[in-house]
Amino acid sequence: DIVMTQSPLSLPVTPGEPAAISCRSSQSLLHSNGYNRLAWYLQKPGQSPQLLIYLGSNRASGAPDRFSGSGAGTDFTLKISRVEAEDVGVYYCMQSLQAPVTFGQGTRLEIK
Amino acid sequence: EVQLVESGGGLVQPGGSLRLSCVASEFIFSNYWMHWVRQAPGKGLEWVAHIKQDGSEVYHVDSVKGRFTISRDNAKNSLYLQMNLLRGEDTAVYYCARVRDGGLDIWGHGTLVTVSS
Repeated sequence: DIVMTQSPLSLPVTPGEPAAISCRSSQSLLHSNGYNRLAWYLQKPGQSPQLLIYLGSNRASGAPDRFSGSGAGTDFTLKISRVEAEDVGVYYCMQSLQAPVTFGQGTRLEIK
Repeated sequence: EVQLVESGGGLVQPGGSLRLSCVASEFIFSNYWMHWVRQAPGKGLEWVAHIKQDGSEVYHVDSVKGRFTISRDNAKNSLYLQMNLLRGEDTAVYYCARVRDGGLDIWGHGTLVTVSS
């Protein structure tokens, strides 16, 4: 199974400041079609997860443009250009290159 | 509105069975792979199973193999998860989700399964 490792696990951020979350996979997520099978999700308190980024760097419909994804192979990063209060929650990365699909442990973002 | 609605959760004794359902609306259900993902209380997300558009391919995580079965009925726009031999560690909110471009772009609100005597 592909192991997904996120860091940090807890991220206190001042509103208006940038933030970054790292996700590393135990093997490359590069598909034969040239895309990295890596997605990012945000689960706000009391809600279902919502898709932010797919295929490593594509912003999902409805995701604010302050969110961006980068990276390739085994190292990926989710960046928030300027954190807002509504960004509080737990962020997960997920690989879908091969079954079983696996998630990272989650990174809890809180406002300072 | 594009949405997924789960049902079928509840309290069940260890060793018991439940069948979860997920009904899709406002999109062509038969065009998409579908997944079940669960979340134990206070824990992270755990993928459970997925199924191809026509049901010809399925995959279950090792911890549920032989006990859970994912299936679908495209005529009814419905996804199912048959859960047998339930254990305490299966206690979780179960979400169904649609796959698009490798990401789970639509999620249901979840249904809670509690396994306890």
